[in-house]
Amino acid sequence: EAEVAQSPRYKITEKSQAVAFWCDPISGHATLYWYRQILGQGPELLVQFQDESVVDDSQLPKDRFSAERLKGVDSTLKIQPAELGDSAMYLCASSGRDRGGGEQYFGPGTRLTVT
Amino acid sequence: KQEVTQIPAALSVPEGENLVLNCSFTDSAIYNLQWFRQDPGKGLTSLLLIQSSQREQTSGRLNASLDKSSGRSTLYIAASQPGDSATYLCAVQGGSEKLVFGKGTKLTVNP
Repeated sequence: EAEVAQSPRYKITEKSQAVAFWCDPISGHATLYWYRQILGQGPELLVQFQDESVVDDSQLPKDRFSAERLKGVDSTLKIQPAELGDSAMYLCASSGRDRGGGEQYFGPGTRLTVT
Repeated sequence: KQEVTQIPAALSVPEGENLVLNCSFTDSAIYNLQWFRQDPGKGLTSLLLIQSSQREQTSGRLNASLDKSSGRSTLYIAASQPGDSATYLCAVQGGSEKLVFGKGTKLTVNP
């Protein structure tokens, strides 16, 4: 069964350092999402891609976060510099529908700890 | 702005009991509603997806209902087992396509 892949699974970094996460969606899925989940909360959308284009990045802290999906397949989320408050689970999801109503499939997540 | 609320925040039941988890949302203009399961430190596993035109979905011991007009959904788990222990998240998808999540219900099923 096809799955969303993410790496690394765990990352510990010191504040002010740069960190990057990678996501490979289910093959053929045009829509890719990055969510952030703080402990004890539900996930919140950071950025949504339709193919290689950003559809929604209204909640992305653009002074330190960046995301790209250059060829419309896999995606990278970067934080520079990392802050203590960035400690969270970063989840990637993909969907096969071009517009709303499609089921989203989630990867295993990357647990980030900033010290 | 869509808001999703899940009640209760935590629930502890003995094995074998039937239980109901509740989810409410403020904006009824949704495409669908999904229920997810999350084990500690893990990603999300989709359990059930209900399209806005549907009233319920069933998978094994799980049954989810949707009343879009009142902004409510319930997840019914029959004959609970210790392996059902996890956090259950409800999420709605509207016109913006993103999922808006509740904070989850942490379920503990005691042997």
